[in-house]
Amino acid sequence: AQRVTQPEKLLSVFKGAPVELKCNYSYSGSPELFWYVQYSRQRLQLLLRHISRESIKGFTADLNKGETSFHLKKPFAQEEDSAMYYCALSGGYSTLTFGKGTMLLVSP
Amino acid sequence: KAGVTQTPRYLIKTRGQQVTLSCSPISGHRSVSWYQQTPGQGLQFLFEYFSETQRNKGNFPGRFSGRQFSNSRSEMNVSTLELGDSALYLCASSLVAVQSTEAFFGQGTRLTVV
Repeated sequence: AQRVTQPEKLLSVFKGAPVELKCNYSYSGSPELFWYVQYSRQRLQLLLRHISRESIKGFTADLNKGETSFHLKKPFAQEEDSAMYYCALSGGYSTLTFGKGTMLLVSP
Repeated sequence: KAGVTQTPRYLIKTRGQQVTLSCSPISGHRSVSWYQQTPGQGLQFLFEYFSETQRNKGNFPGRFSGRQFSNSRSEMNVSTLELGDSALYLCASSLVAVQSTEAFFGQGTRLTVV
């Protein structure tokens, strides 16, 4: 069975501080990992996916198959980063298994 | 390009009734997935359709069903509603039904069962 775990429900940091949102997964095959973000009053949208190896809005995430992790990182948090972040895994087709999400609050 | 559209946005139903929710995917997208979002369970996968065929189904009772039409629009139906079915139902569309594709989400239908 596939599972995604985000251990923190809430992460509160000050502007300019580094951010790391944790994500661990369980999957027997070769997964595709994603981070989705939901800003206040907006729909859920893709932030980044591991296959692209890109940095979006200063965020990066590295897939560590040994530790089965896909942590999301940003060196300097901005107030506009405040949002709900979901780690997701795709084991097949375009279906997603989501973690329960981490609320990131960035204070001035 | 118009995004994923879900109707209605809000719905109030009584226990025992049935409900049909609609999803219009982004033009050209052939894969449509449905998710249930609740505070306790988070986002849970319901089912996925591609070219009118259900390709994948989550762990939900048979009261939850869906279908996809030839124009890729999709509906989901919940029969014999229970209080626990109160949730935000999200639809997502993808260009193709492959593992690494991006899913585009609608704003959801908020269902309240009383």
